[in-house]
Amino acid sequence: GQNIDQPTEMTATEGAIVQINCTYQTSGFNGLFWYQQHAGEAPTFLSYNVLDGLEEKGRFSSFLSRSKGYSYLLLKELQMKDSASYLCAVVDSNYQLIWGAGTKLIIKP
Amino acid sequence: NAGVTQTPKFRILKIGQSMTLQCTQDMNHNYMYWYRQDPGMGLKLIYYSVGAGITDKGEVPNGYNVSRSTTEDFPLRLELAAPSQTSVYFCASRGGDSYNEQFFGPGTRLTVL
Repeated sequence: GQNIDQPTEMTATEGAIVQINCTYQTSGFNGLFWYQQHAGEAPTFLSYNVLDGLEEKGRFSSFLSRSKGYSYLLLKELQMKDSASYLCAVVDSNYQLIWGAGTKLIIKP
Repeated sequence: NAGVTQTPKFRILKIGQSMTLQCTQDMNHNYMYWYRQDPGMGLKLIYYSVGAGITDKGEVPNGYNVSRSTTEDFPLRLELAAPSQTSVYFCASRGGDSYNEQFFGPGTRLTVL
């Protein structure tokens, strides 16, 4: 079967750095997405990785290791508005997105 | 551009009732998707379409039907509502490139009592 694992919930302090991990086992791999979802809202795109390595975009960075079936999302200089769920999704061999359950990130002042 | 729009935003149904969730996109995207999201869970694919006139089942299609008569519209039909269909429903679309992000509508929160 296909499986994506993320921690259910994480807590961090405003101004700090947090790393959200995602491990996956899927039938094929054609890329990995990270989405942000605020409570009661739709998911919005954060990043896409298809090759190994780190992609940096402002305060957010995403890393991929295809050989390990592993990715992480790194959030720096945390702000209260970063409180949200972060969804990891893998594009499988049929080009369908397989979604993780999401990690709820709580930011404390 | 309005992007992806969904109606209604909220709906309460009685068991056995039927309804159609509307989804429209104005980005000329070929690919459209319907997901459901239960509390604390990830997105589950119900149906998807790769273009007008073409639809296919996703992971959880039972109890639902779709049609795609135009590029813009992709309605989702619930024929006999059941409490298990209480969920938040998201419509999404993407362009033709396999690696493009999906753009989501604001969602429809459905409760079946």
